[in-house]
Amino acid sequence: ETGVTQTPRHLVMGMTNKKSLKCEQHLGHNAMYWYKQSAKKPLELMFVYSLEERVENNSVPSRFSPECPNSSHLFLHLHTLQPEDSALYLCASSQDRIYTDTQYFGPGTRLTVL
Amino acid sequence: TQLLEQSPQFLSIQEGENLTVYCNSSSVFSSLQWYRQEPGEGPVLLVTVVTGGEVKKLKRLTFQFGDARKDSSLHITAAQPGDTGLYLCAGEDTGNQFYFGTGTSLTVIP
Repeated sequence: ETGVTQTPRHLVMGMTNKKSLKCEQHLGHNAMYWYKQSAKKPLELMFVYSLEERVENNSVPSRFSPECPNSSHLFLHLHTLQPEDSALYLCASSQDRIYTDTQYFGPGTRLTVL
Repeated sequence: TQLLEQSPQFLSIQEGENLTVYCNSSSVFSSLQWYRQEPGEGPVLLVTVVTGGEVKKLKRLTFQFGDARKDSSLHITAAQPGDTGLYLCAGEDTGNQFYFGTGTSLTVIP
């Protein structure tokens, strides 16, 4: 499989559940990103990892916890979410953490919090 | 405060028509990108512009970065149904912060 993959594609969870989103890139890139895409709001950059180190956290609530065990994998652990957290969560990767680099996006995980 | 405002928000046109989408900001950007996102998919990069006044062409798409690097436009000539999608601008400001615009949803009717 090539490019950036995300699993699951759809997730429904209750506010007390714990779940994880997974992202995998097969491009040999050094930087990975988590974005949140909500209706009527711009894509929001949540976390940036470069060479497995978190280099940027845009004031995201602690109920979202990222993990980057190696340069190919990125997780977003979810705990006690709120209904307003329902959104499309997109993962992306780029060769390096330079914003003029092309970011390659996965298809996203559609999350619904009940 | 919204840093990258796109207009129009929605656009529905007939096949063969021309259109222009705008991306405006009060901030200066060191680079600006345009993406297209189709339903059920992530955004796909179309172009990156880095120099004020720069014009880039990609087949029927023409991208321009404003002289002051605060705005950009995307012009599509002879739109086709395959151009349908959400067009997003995104930029890195001079403080190295990266933002996406509000988006323009384009529908091209056959």
